[in-house]
Formats: sequence, structure tokens, C-alpha cells
Amino acid sequence: NAGVMQNPRHLVRRRGQEARLRCSPMKGHSHVYWYRQLPEEGLKFMVYLQKENIIDESGMPKERFSAEFPKEGPSILRIQQVVRGDSAAYFCASSPPTFSGSGDTQYFGPGTRLTVL
Amino acid sequence: AQSVTQLDSHVSVSEGTPVLLRCNYSSSYSPSLFWYVQHPNKGLQLLLKYTSAATLVKGINGFEAEFKKSETSFHLTKPSAHMSDAAEYFCVVSDLSGGYNKLIFGAGTRLAVHP
Repeated sequence: NAGVMQNPRHLVRRRGQEARLRCSPMKGHSHVYWYRQLPEEGLKFMVYLQKENIIDESGMPKERFSAEFPKEGPSILRIQQVVRGDSAAYFCASSPPTFSGSGDTQYFGPGTRLTVL
Repeated sequence: AQSVTQLDSHVSVSEGTPVLLRCNYSSSYSPSLFWYVQHPNKGLQLLLKYTSAATLVKGINGFEAEFKKSETSFHLTKPSAHMSDAAEYFCVVSDLSGGYNKLIFGAGTRLAVHP
């Protein structure tokens, strides 16, 4: 069973360009979470998605950022018109569909390191 | 609101000596708590998790953590450090207020292990 896959692992963009980050959850997982890690900081929640639905995007900047998790294919985190402050590591995590109420484990991908020049 | 505070940003130990990474949490209900490890330029790996069963939780690679409600602490320990333990460690609490599992991360503790 392959783990959570993210690509690309490293992405370099110039200011004003678009960045697309992809996340394929573990097989059988239907919940996807995106987190951002700024340099020397912990991870911060951005958005939680289930198939074709955004459940909570309270951690995502209101402008330029969007996320989707289509019925088929990976989850996509899209950043339009990137700025230097978007430089960070972006991690995706997935969890299985059953919610036990006791804190289902999230399995993390290796992350995409975005550098904005 | 749920939160975690990692009391040390950096910890340095000698190989073979005990490791203690401190974490205090704040929670309005019985929390689920986790420790994750992040090796340089790698993803996060779950070390262990507490979900209101035994208060002493054993994880991978010889790590364990004890949940102490009276002290609101969930410190991570290991009897004997290895060089391979050098990494960033995150204490994490689960925020279930939204009806789903949102992870709240501490700022991290960087563990250095010296020969």
C-alpha cells in the first residue's frame, strides 16, 4: 500500500506565476488535509477536503489560494500569482473515511517545497 | 480552543543518554495527542498517539510519552538516544470542535545528538 504521494517535491516559481501542488492520498482514504510549514515553524492547517467537497477552508488565505479534491484524480492546491511569502513546505495528509471521534491518524506525504523567486 | 506548547525549541544530548522533549497542551475536552518526527527535508512520521486508553503510550524507535492530565503534559522520552534520532519533533493535539480531526501543531523541538 503506497503512502501519500505528493508532487512535485520541489517547485520554483517566479513572482506572479501559478503554483499547482498535487496530492494522492493513500489507497482507501477519502479525507485530505493540506498544511503549510513556513521556515522554522510548525505546520499550520489550511484546508480539509473530502471527495468533491471542501469541508473546512478556514486556514487558507482568502485570496489566490484554492483547493479541490475531484471524484477522480489527486487533490490539487493551487496558488495564483505567487509572492515571496508563499515560499514554504506544503504537506498533504490523508485519513480513512471512518471517523471514530478519538482522533483518526493522519498520514503525511513528503511535502512540496515551494520557492518563489 | 486547543493548543500545544513545546517548551524547548532546541535540545542537545549525547548519544546513549536519555531524551526528554517537553509538551504542554490546552484542551477543553479529553484530547487526542500525537508526536510526529520530521527528518531533514522529509515528510512527517507518526511516532505515537494517545487517545484516552493507557496514559503511557509506547511508540516506534523506542520512544514513549506519558499523558498527565493534572499537569496537562505529554512529554516524549527515550532512554538512550541514537544519532539517527536527530530530527525535528512536533507535539500535536487534535481539535474536534468542527466535527472532524484538525491537527494543531506545536512549534517543534529540534533534537541534536552528539557522539
